[in-house]
Amino acid sequence: GAGVSQSPSNKVTEKGKDVELRCDPISGHTALYWYRQRLGQGLEFLIYFQGNSAPDKSGLPSDRFSAERTGESVSTLTIQRTQQEDSAVYLCASSHPLGLAGVQDTQYFGPGTRLTVL
Amino acid sequence: ELKVEQNPLFLSMQEGKNYTIYCNYSTTSDRLYWYRQDPGKSLESLFVLLSNGAVKQEGRLMASLDTKARLSTLHITAAVHDLSATYFCAVDSNDMRFGAGTRLTVKP
Repeated sequence: GAGVSQSPSNKVTEKGKDVELRCDPISGHTALYWYRQRLGQGLEFLIYFQGNSAPDKSGLPSDRFSAERTGESVSTLTIQRTQQEDSAVYLCASSHPLGLAGVQDTQYFGPGTRLTVL
Repeated sequence: ELKVEQNPLFLSMQEGKNYTIYCNYSTTSDRLYWYRQDPGKSLESLFVLLSNGAVKQEGRLMASLDTKARLSTLHITAAVHDLSATYFCAVDSNDMRFGAGTRLTVKP
């Protein structure tokens, strides 16, 4: 079946513009994560959606960042008034529960969106 | 706040040698994941460890979890060039956090 898809694959924008990144998780995966990965760095957690529960927004770096998810499907990450430091690859991942309380299976990652803010 | 530390961050080794990558974490958890990332690519799942003492092996890689020590190891046996990549551990303790990654280079 299809894996996690993300669009666009590349986005170049000017400082101050808003951008919207899209993630289509694997069908049936209740959990969805957004991460940011700067060049040569590790993954920085941004936000986590689990089913219909309130999302865990603890990783969002500022109020310019927001994300939404429609049910257990598509998610969009919006960055308002982009800054040069927002340049990074934004990765989305999804997973499904293993049947053990609160335990998620491994995450399946999308190919990422490379964001460049000029 | 959950903190995940990997070491070493950079590892250069010769083909045929053995080595271990360490992943320490700061809060109680029995859910640990290992991933591989090739340059310019996304992350690929390697192992899922869900109990104390869990050990999983795939080819030349073996991962283990000691929840009491809050430590996971990724052992590389008889390294080959194809294993060159960045390896990440991730811990789920209500929050999901990744280590900084270990960039492995295997030289002939």
